[in-house]
Amino acid sequence: KAGVTQTPRYLIKTRGQQVTLSCSPISGHRSVSWYQQTPGQGLQFLFEYFSETQRNKGNFPGRFSGRQFSNSRSEMNVSTLELGDSALYLCASSTRGQVATNEKLFFGSGTQLSVL
Amino acid sequence: QKEVEQDPGPLSVPEGAIVSLNCTYSNSAFQYFMWYRQYSRKGPELLMYTYSSGNKEDGRFTAQVDKSSKYISLFIRDSQPSDSATYLCAMMFSGGYNKLIFGAGTRLAVHP
Repeated sequence: KAGVTQTPRYLIKTRGQQVTLSCSPISGHRSVSWYQQTPGQGLQFLFEYFSETQRNKGNFPGRFSGRQFSNSRSEMNVSTLELGDSALYLCASSTRGQVATNEKLFFGSGTQLSVL
Repeated sequence: QKEVEQDPGPLSVPEGAIVSLNCTYSNSAFQYFMWYRQYSRKGPELLMYTYSSGNKEDGRFTAQVDKSSKYISLFIRDSQPSDSATYLCAMMFSGGYNKLIFGAGTRLAVHP
């Protein structure tokens, strides 16, 4: 069974540009979450989608947005990039988005975004 | 003050040692506690999951949760060089829809 796939693996952008990252969850998983990982702030929750609906959102500005398609694939978009947006962006998927029931959350290897 | 505090290390131990990793937290509403392992240039991988207080054992790994002290621990017995990684604690509220609150991560190096 293929794992969570994120593309691209590396990305270099300049300030002010926008970027779109893609995530394909494990087959059969309908919940997709996005996290940002930086050396200073660690791993921080961005948002979670289930059946094309955003159910939960972290404390990030509106420049960060996402969506989920009917096949559960997800994209996240960052507009007007800032230097501080340089980070590893991780996508994670699970069956129903209920880790509380011991449902496992599987992470992809991430997209490393560098903003110059 | 961060909701979850974790000493970033690095922690260096000889092969075969018992490793103790821990996190403290401030919000008593956390109900679910997890430990993840992250190798360089990889995503986190779930190691242990515990609901509320108590102990859980899986092979060489033991997780402990003490809600009265707001303190969680992960013990690794007979540590191996392949255990060298960053270990992240994570917590979640009830109904959190996969919104995990992570500690900063502790970098562990096990040398032969």
